[in-house]
Amino acid sequence: GQNIDQPTEMTATEGAIVQINCTYQTSGFNGLFWYQQHAGEAPTFLSYNVLDGLEEKGRFSSFLSRSKGYSYLLLKELQMKDSASYLCATGSDSNYQLIWGAGTKLIIKP
Amino acid sequence: DTAVSQTPKYLVTQMGNDKSIKCEQNLGHDTMYWYKQDSKKFLKIMFSYNNKELIINETVPNRFSPKSPDKAHLNLHINSLELGDSAVYFCASSQDRGADNSPLHFGNGTRLTVT
Repeated sequence: GQNIDQPTEMTATEGAIVQINCTYQTSGFNGLFWYQQHAGEAPTFLSYNVLDGLEEKGRFSSFLSRSKGYSYLLLKELQMKDSASYLCATGSDSNYQLIWGAGTKLIIKP
Repeated sequence: DTAVSQTPKYLVTQMGNDKSIKCEQNLGHDTMYWYKQDSKKFLKIMFSYNNKELIINETVPNRFSPKSPDKAHLNLHINSLELGDSAVYFCASSQDRGADNSPLHFGNGTRLTVT
């Protein structure tokens, strides 16, 4: 079957670094997405990885290991506005669907 | 200059009623979607249209009927609403057919409450 796992909730301190992990099992693989969703709002696109390695975009970086079925989102210099849910999603090359994780709720404390 | 807009933002209605949610995108994207996000925050694909053609039709009760009059619009009509239909419904669009490197752009969601 197809499955995505990520922790339900994480807590971190303002100014610190946090790593949110995502493991996946899909029948094929066509890239992995990370989205941010603030409470009561729509998900917004953060990053896309299709090759192994680290992609850096300002304070946010995303890593992928296809052989391990594993990705993480790294957030540096945490700000209070980073409090949100972070959703991991991946697609199978056998169809056009994205499979979504349940999201990791990140709580930032002062 | 809203990219993906859906209306209404809130919808409160009684069981058994019929309601519609409208969605429009001005990004020139070829593919549009309806997603349901339940109280546990799982995003579940319901339907996807590519250039007005239905390409994904998940196991959704046939009380839900999407309509795409053109590639910029995808509406969702729901008949005989049930309590379990209460959720947030998101419209989204992407340049290509989803599970490739074209990210989804979401509307702000319609919070449906069935009483």
